[in-house]
Amino acid sequence: DADVTQTPRNRITKTGKRIMLECSQTKGHDRMYWYRQDPGLGLQLIYYSFDVKDINKGEISDGYSVSRQAQAKFSLSLESAIPNQTALYFCATSDPSRGTQYFGPGTRLTVL
Amino acid sequence: AQSVTQPDIHITVSEGASLELRCNYSYGATPYLFWYVQSPGQGLQLLLKYFSGDTLVQGIKGFEAEFKRSQSSFNLRKPSVHWSDAAEYFCAVGAGNGGATNKLIFGTGTLLAVQP
Repeated sequence: DADVTQTPRNRITKTGKRIMLECSQTKGHDRMYWYRQDPGLGLQLIYYSFDVKDINKGEISDGYSVSRQAQAKFSLSLESAIPNQTALYFCATSDPSRGTQYFGPGTRLTVL
Repeated sequence: AQSVTQPDIHITVSEGASLELRCNYSYGATPYLFWYVQSPGQGLQLLLKYFSGDTLVQGIKGFEAEFKRSQSSFNLRKPSVHWSDAAEYFCAVGAGNGGATNKLIFGTGTLLAVQP
């Protein structure tokens, strides 16, 4: 089984809808991250969490919110989706002593 | 501020040829450096990493990278490219305090195409 899983893998929604992307990990890491990938821009950090009580904004947090339900679960929400949030979203976890990040397979989100 | 530059957006090489992907970083302290590969429709897979010690780092799939502090570079190399190496490659620098990196700053990626 994969160490980092994301659901759904693909989602098409309409402008104004609320969307939740979920991430679960079995690596036992405290640190979890949400990234957004757009062509030609690489990965941009949306939010990150160092434990269930510690959540931090990344570079592009506007329009997004997160919830850390447990050590193993970290969800990303789009309260009111807009077309320019169409992108590939990745969840990751990290080994805190070294920073190596392990990525999920990604969720492709399309906002119409 | 920390940053990573991958100057080559797209590279095409012939199968069997050697490969070098460039990465330059900006970071005030000794960096933690990473190369990730993303195959079409897949997530990111770690190829190799540099934390300290030997500046020539070996990774998976026959890749290596060399850390050059004087040039602020961490270029990825492979002596003989295979068709399955066609993918997008991302360089990243670990940013944080106290010796433990808090988050990664990614470059914009280099898309590698392999000609038969």
